[in-house]
Amino acid sequence: DQQVKQNSPSLSVQEGRISILNCDYTNSMFDYFLWYKKYPAEGPTFLISISSIKDKNEDGRFTVFLNKSAKHLSLHIVPSQPGDSAVYFCAASAAGGGADGLTFGKGTHLIIQP
Amino acid sequence: GAVVSQHPSWVICKSGTSVKIECRSLDFQATTMFWYRQFPKQSLMLMATSNEGSKATYEQGVEKDKFLINHASLTLSTLTVTSAHPEDSSFYICSARGPGLARDEQFFGPGTRLTVL
Repeated sequence: DQQVKQNSPSLSVQEGRISILNCDYTNSMFDYFLWYKKYPAEGPTFLISISSIKDKNEDGRFTVFLNKSAKHLSLHIVPSQPGDSAVYFCAASAAGGGADGLTFGKGTHLIIQP
Repeated sequence: GAVVSQHPSWVICKSGTSVKIECRSLDFQATTMFWYRQFPKQSLMLMATSNEGSKATYEQGVEKDKFLINHASLTLSTLTVTSAHPEDSSFYICSARGPGLARDEQFFGPGTRLTVL
């Protein structure tokens, strides 16, 4: 059972426009959400996170929105740049269960077109 | 961010042999390390959590006797795939956290591609 779902395997966006990546989760115990960026043959690198007590977190071009009632979060990248082309993973963790191993979605391949 | 390395980056082995993968935190002490596995077009799946000096905690469905994890020091964890079979072929990634770090400060290694013939 996939507890973290990224339903779009790929997304193509024109350079300069906004990229919106979506993520849904089913486990109501998740209280911390993260977005990672991954290039081929490399490990994921942390982008931005959000705690369940917030509904928005912003860091430069990256903003994450959390809608707890819908169990949905999204990552907005604006403006999109060619270097943003990568696979983006949504991940979640639940407090109190140990050392915060992450549950990942399958990823969305973002392609920024010039 | 902190640096986590993995060795080897790729390995090909014969069925029935054992393979050891190393995960090192290069510039911080990792009290906790995680091992993940990723099959093609799938998500990273947490296999086990290891705390320095204690036994690893395995996720449901992961055979602890097949995937041996050792976290003997604050900078090194090893994953040994014993009696590997073709279905164990996957991309194995480790991550590490240090003491007192925030929940988002989990640093990933570059991964190890294992192919079992």
